[in-house]
Amino acid sequence: DVKVTQSSRYLVKRTGEKVFLECVQDMDHENMFWYRQDPGLGLRLIYFSYDVKMKEKGDIPEGYSVSREKKERFSLILESASTNQTSMYLCASSLQGFPFEAFFGQGTRLTVV
Amino acid sequence: GEDVEQSLFLSVREGDSSVINCTYTDSSSTYLYWYKQEPGAGLQLLTYIFSNMDMKQDQRLTVLLNKKDKHLSLRIADTQTGDSAIYFCAEIVSGGYNKLIFGAGTRLAVHP
Repeated sequence: DVKVTQSSRYLVKRTGEKVFLECVQDMDHENMFWYRQDPGLGLRLIYFSYDVKMKEKGDIPEGYSVSREKKERFSLILESASTNQTSMYLCASSLQGFPFEAFFGQGTRLTVV
Repeated sequence: GEDVEQSLFLSVREGDSSVINCTYTDSSSTYLYWYKQEPGAGLQLLTYIFSNMDMKQDQRLTVLLNKKDKHLSLRIADTQTGDSAIYFCAEIVSGGYNKLIFGAGTRLAVHP
């Protein structure tokens, strides 16, 4: 059974804290993605990675960074959390080729107070 | 730029058909997708259609693609309460590396 696992379902952090969101996949996928989901805005791509140690900016990378030291793990880092980063964060992975099916984790609901 | 648009809400009676619509902007998209998100869960791929097809049927699901108008629809026949979820339309955008661009999602509410 394929699996993308996010380390936390719920997180509450204080403004200014450094926050790490972890994602692990067990499918040997090359691609990994971080999205944030906000009501009425859908999913917006923050960063993605197509290989170990490689990363590409998505549509809203400001205030975020990522790390991919191992193929199965992709971390999202909020350098200095702010209240406008309160959101649902979704990690996904996929193979490189088509039909490019993405498998999603269950999401982490982050609240910054 | 890349954009996928869909209406935010749809309410249907149990047993009726549901039709969820989507428009996209990238005419070079090779695949278009419908994902489903149930409450408290991540997204799950429902179905996809290759860009050289007009229609794809999979049990109760029918996907229609109008490439000229860049319009995609998902029809769910005999809608059940278990179909209540958010449905996301997505397209592949290629700019060196492939990435999925999602719409805002349509919340489908099924009532008795």
